[in-house]
Amino acid sequence: DAGITQSPRHKVTETGTPVTLRCHQTENHRYMYWYRQDPGHGLRLIHYSYGVKDTDKGEVSDGYSVSRSKTEDFLLTLESATSSQTSVYFCAISPGQGRTEAFFGQGTRLTVV
Amino acid sequence: DQQVKQNSPSLSVQEGRISILNCDYTNSMFDYFLWYKKYPAEGPTFLISISSIKDKNEDGRFTVFLNKSAKHLSLHIVPSQPGDSAVYFCAASPHTKTSYDKVIFGPGTSLSVIP
Repeated sequence: DAGITQSPRHKVTETGTPVTLRCHQTENHRYMYWYRQDPGHGLRLIHYSYGVKDTDKGEVSDGYSVSRSKTEDFLLTLESATSSQTSVYFCAISPGQGRTEAFFGQGTRLTVV
Repeated sequence: DQQVKQNSPSLSVQEGRISILNCDYTNSMFDYFLWYKKYPAEGPTFLISISSIKDKNEDGRFTVFLNKSAKHLSLHIVPSQPGDSAVYFCAASPHTKTSYDKVIFGPGTSLSVIP
C-alpha cells in the first residue's frame, strides 16, 4: 500500500469555524490532490499541488485553501466551514512521470453542524 | 453537466454471474479511461485502465471494453465474487500520461454481489 495518511479520520465542527485537514505521504511523490466525495457527484477535485509551494485550483475550490511547505505534507483548510462542506475528503498522490495511477488515502469524514 | 456518467447508481448480481458496469462520457477529447474500486471507509484503489487505441483490456476477472464511437465503456467482472461488492468509479482523462487535475470521475456504481 502507498504510504499516505489522512488526519483526522473523522471530525465534527460548527459552522463558521476554521478546519484544517492533513495529508501526509512517505512516497516522495510529486503530485498531491484533495478531493471531496458526495452522493451523485463522485470524486471532485478541490485543489492540487505539483510541487512544494506549487498549488492550483480544481473544480470545486471555493471556500478552500491549501498549502504545501514540504513534499510530504499537503494541508486543506476550510477558512469558515459551512454545512455545504459536509463531505468525505480524500487526499491522493501520484508520481507523475507518465504514470496515471493515483493512490488515495482512507478519507476524512467531515460534518459541519 | 457531468462529462462522465454512470447511470446505474447500484447493481445487484448473484455470485458466479457476470457483473457489467457501464460508463458514458461526453467529451470526445478523452483519451484514457480508468476504473477505481472503493470499499466502505477506505479510499479508492486503481483497478484497470484502457487507452483509446484499444477496445479491450483484460486483467484476470476484470475486462474493460471501450466503444469510442458511442463514447461508452463497460467493466465486466467474471465470475463475480462477494468480495467484489464495492463502489466502482469510472474516470476519464484527455491524455494517457497526465496528472490528475485533468481526470474526471463519474458518480460511481455500487455493486452488490449476493452469495
